[in-house]
Amino acid sequence: RKEVEQDPGPFNVPEGATVAFNCTYSNSASQSFFWYRQDCRKEPKLLMSVYSSGNEDGRFTAQLNRASQYISLLIRDSKLSDSATYLCVVTGTSGSARQLTFGSGTQLTVLP
Amino acid sequence: AAGVIQSPRHLIKEKRETATLKCYPIPRHDTVYWYQQGPGQDPQFLISFYEKMQSDKGSIPDRFSAQQFSDYHSELNMSSLELGDSALYFCASSQPGTGYEKLFFGSGTQLSVL
Repeated sequence: RKEVEQDPGPFNVPEGATVAFNCTYSNSASQSFFWYRQDCRKEPKLLMSVYSSGNEDGRFTAQLNRASQYISLLIRDSKLSDSATYLCVVTGTSGSARQLTFGSGTQLTVLP
Repeated sequence: AAGVIQSPRHLIKEKRETATLKCYPIPRHDTVYWYQQGPGQDPQFLISFYEKMQSDKGSIPDRFSAQQFSDYHSELNMSSLELGDSALYFCASSQPGTGYEKLFFGSGTQLSVL
């Protein structure tokens, strides 16, 4: 079982739709949590950090549930430019805060 | 703003050859990470350096070695290349103390082994 598991998708949604991605992690000692987005053959880029209290950045909302070891990302009013792979990332799962462990990613395509 | 610089962007090698990938972190970032991403795969952590010392080691083959120099740039040396080494190699840097260990990735080096 992978340390970080994501719903692989692909998700194909129309513009304006709301879409949610889920991610679970296996190590309860994990320390920090992020969502990255990666466009095809490009580098991963930090989208947002994830806090226990939940956080919002424009159309994006991230939630962390430590008890269930579950992370989510909600995208409202989807835009064509949101099409990408979204990577759930967790630190500290290998005993070190300096390693990030990536999920396999969820592919999103926003259709016109 | 300055970003993480990687060179070369593309590299083509034959089996059993060697390759050197370079990474220049964001100024004042003292930690460098190397990741390998195969086609359709998620990035796999290879190795990291903090203040020019190896800080963590992931799934890096023994054929690979890396170091961080006094100017904080890092090089990944790959020997006896195999077809399976074909991948996108990302370097990332971070400045510890931000509280969440945020990484900033370079554009990657696409290595093709023929």
